[in-house]
Amino acid sequence: AQKVTQAQTEISVVEKEDVTLDCVYETRDTTYYLFWYKQPPSGELVFLIRRNSFDEQNEISGRYSWNFQKSTSSFNFTITASQVVDSAVYFCALSEVQGAQKLVFGQGTRLTINP
Amino acid sequence: GAVVSQHPSWVICKSGTSVKIECRSLDFQATTMFWYRQFPKQSLMLMATSNEGSKATYEQGVEKDKFLINHASLTLSTLTVTSAHPEDSSFYICSARDSRGQVIQETQYFGPGTRLLVL
Repeated sequence: AQKVTQAQTEISVVEKEDVTLDCVYETRDTTYYLFWYKQPPSGELVFLIRRNSFDEQNEISGRYSWNFQKSTSSFNFTITASQVVDSAVYFCALSEVQGAQKLVFGQGTRLTINP
Repeated sequence: GAVVSQHPSWVICKSGTSVKIECRSLDFQATTMFWYRQFPKQSLMLMATSNEGSKATYEQGVEKDKFLINHASLTLSTLTVTSAHPEDSSFYICSARDSRGQVIQETQYFGPGTRLLVL
């Protein structure tokens, strides 16, 4: 069975600090997808990134970066120079590559950026 | 990007009534749609996978007779909460897969969600 664990329930930092959100996953599949989503107070899910299991290159997009370590089954997300607008709940998710591609979500990390 | 809409965005109803939630893919066709439920301060839990023209596949623990899903066309899936009770109050989110099978990053496009409050 697939499982995603986000051990950090809540994180609070001061604006401009860097913050890393942890994600650890479990799967028996040899190929899979990993995702990060942002859920602001409005509730709508905002897609941030998808990573294929065979691609372990780290990715950077502006202030966001992702570190995929297959050896430790982790897919961590770092926000550099955080801003108040980054405040939201962030979800890590896992899906199969074939079939229905159902998403399994982690418990989410509530990130609060204080001015 | 592709757009998925949900209607209504929020609904308040009395206990015992049925509520229908619509999920539409506005600019693409979706043979597969998913329904999720999210309780306050919790994660999204998949309720069922909806396939156009066939019966939905429900996740373990989800009552199929209580949560009726109909996916009658390639752009519309509906979730009906029958005889709703206060414990059904939740945030219901749908998502849709583009049936063209293009290699897209998102794999699923999410709707904005429907907040249901049962009194």
